[in-house]
Amino acid sequence: QQQVKQSPQSLIVQKGGISIINCAYENTAFDYFPWYQQFPGKGPALLIAIRPDVSEKKEGRFTISFNKSAKQFSLHIMDSQPGDSATYFCAASIVNTGNQFYFGTGTSLTVIP
Amino acid sequence: DVKVTQSSRYLVKRTGEKVFLECVQDMDHENMFWYRQDPGLGLRLIYFSYDVKMKEKGDIPEGYSVSREKKERFSLILESASTNQTSMYLCASSFTWAETQYFGPGTRLLVL
Repeated sequence: QQQVKQSPQSLIVQKGGISIINCAYENTAFDYFPWYQQFPGKGPALLIAIRPDVSEKKEGRFTISFNKSAKQFSLHIMDSQPGDSATYFCAASIVNTGNQFYFGTGTSLTVIP
Repeated sequence: DVKVTQSSRYLVKRTGEKVFLECVQDMDHENMFWYRQDPGLGLRLIYFSYDVKMKEKGDIPEGYSVSREKKERFSLILESASTNQTSMYLCASSFTWAETQYFGPGTRLLVL
């Protein structure tokens, strides 16, 4: 049973466009929501993360929007670049129970020049 | 800089073989994790460990076992490899109660 549902499975965006990836969860005990970025041949690496006490977090061109009441969060990549082409995973965890992550199924993003 | 290394990038084994995947981290992290990554299924947790000689089952432990004899090393063992264990295996580590998990580059295992 998937604890975190992610969509879309794949996404193609023109250079300069906005990429949006969505995730939804059921467990209201989750209190940490990271996004991981994975390039081919590499392990995932933390991109950006949010706690449920804020509705938005921005780091450069990457923004997480968080909707606690809807139990949804999303990653927005502004001014998408070909170098952003990668697989993106959302995740959720309950930090004070040992840091077990529940990952979404991943989104393969391709940014075309 | 945190470094998580995995013993092999690619591995080809025969059905029924015993397979060892090794992971080493150099940051004195208490927690270590083994995931498998399959297209359309994302990352699924196999086993994790909070301390030396401790282990906990994740979501898909069947057909796998683990060993953690030293803090920096976490091994995944396939007792009798099967073709449905062909996958990418990722190791990760983190401090206790910390938020970030650090991943190794992965081992792509093919079981024939």
